[in-house]
Amino acid sequence: DQQVKQNSPSLSVQEGRISILNCDYTNSMFDYFLWYKKYPAEGPTFLISISSIKDKNEDGRFTVFLNKSAKHLSLHIVPSQPGDSAVYFCASYSALASLDGSSNTGKLIFGQGTTLQVKP
Amino acid sequence: DARVTQTPRHKVTEMGQEVTMRCQPILGHNTVFWYRQTMMQGLELLAYFRNRAPLDDSGMPKDRFSAEMPDATLATLKIQPSEPRDSAVYFCASGPRTENSPLHFGNGTRLTVT
Repeated sequence: DQQVKQNSPSLSVQEGRISILNCDYTNSMFDYFLWYKKYPAEGPTFLISISSIKDKNEDGRFTVFLNKSAKHLSLHIVPSQPGDSAVYFCASYSALASLDGSSNTGKLIFGQGTTLQVKP
Repeated sequence: DARVTQTPRHKVTEMGQEVTMRCQPILGHNTVFWYRQTMMQGLELLAYFRNRAPLDDSGMPKDRFSAEMPDATLATLKIQPSEPRDSAVYFCASGPRTENSPLHFGNGTRLTVT
């Protein structure tokens, strides 16, 4: 049961244009969402996150949008740069499901990833 | 710059052999996760620990996989016996004792079972 889905395995955009990566989730208990970027032969690195109490979070060229009713989130990169070429993973967890008084770092569930290629 | 350290980076072994992967989480982090990257499943959660106690290992094939944290500076993932279908990249990640802080990943162990 894939609770977090990235239905587009790959995306190719021209440098300077907008990249839009999409992610859907099925678990209504998820209340925190993250995007990670992964280069070959390296581990994923955190990019941006959003809490379920918000519908948008922006950090420089990166913006994440959350549509809770549709259980959908997207990552926008504007403008796209060749260095953005990587695999992007969305991930979600439920902070409420992991409360034990010591930490809210929950069980993080990842999607399958989308390979973004930005062409010069 | 604190990092999660995984060893070995690469491992090639024959089917039936035991494989042990090691992870040194970032000092002070109290959660440790093991993920496996495959083409079909993306990043698949195998197990995770909080304060060295296993919280969830439902993603692991129990008959051959085991995960432990003998101390706060070492997490291990063991496969015995290994099979060709176990070939993948295995990632360890650790998280701090801070609400909603992201996980930090190691660079992975690429396992090839022939």
